[in-house]
Amino acid sequence: NAGVTQTPKFRILKIGQSMTLQCTQDMNHNYMYWYRQDPGMGLKLIYYSVGAGITDKGEVPNGYNVSRSTTEDFPLRLELAAPSQTSVYFCASRDVKFNNEQFFGPGTRLTVL
Amino acid sequence: GQQVMQIPQYQHVQEGEDFTTYCNSSTTLSNIQWYKQRPGGHPVFLIQLVKSGEVKKQKRLTFQFGEAKKNSSLHITATQTTDVGTYFCAGIITGTASKLTFGTGTRLQVTL
Repeated sequence: NAGVTQTPKFRILKIGQSMTLQCTQDMNHNYMYWYRQDPGMGLKLIYYSVGAGITDKGEVPNGYNVSRSTTEDFPLRLELAAPSQTSVYFCASRDVKFNNEQFFGPGTRLTVL
Repeated sequence: GQQVMQIPQYQHVQEGEDFTTYCNSSTTLSNIQWYKQRPGGHPVFLIQLVKSGEVKKQKRLTFQFGEAKKNSSLHITATQTTDVGTYFCAGIITGTASKLTFGTGTRLQVTL
């Protein structure tokens, strides 16, 4: 199993540009999450999904959108990028059948200039 | 809002010293998890505690879940340089089973 994969690893955007952060998991987990982590800080939940076709807002959803058309994929869309969205973005999936462990992807480091 | 706080924010120890981080929630938790994040890496699951008063050990790491299920601690005995990283607690707040609320994290630095 590859686990949770994220692309790209790094990206620089100009203010006002848009992009999609990709996230894929091959563990057949229904629950998936997007977090952002600012330097030296904790994880803040952006959006989450409990299954294909179902998404919900987390703590900091403004400026982002998600979709979940398949169990495997959970892309995060940034519209009109702003410097405040400079952060490291982590995608995670959760194994609710065993021990609720969240498996994190390697992260995408995004800079908005 | 619902918060999960950790103290201390940062601790620097000499190798061989013990280390403890404390996690406190403003509301009751269904369970508590602990994650470790190495510098430049992603969080990695360490353990989950579910029962009130539960204690679990993993080699030099001891995890406790408070009787009221509102606090938890992670204790590392005889730290090693490989313990360097940030330790996060994460709880499922009762009634919000779909998501974890992460603590603020404790960054541990270990020097020889």
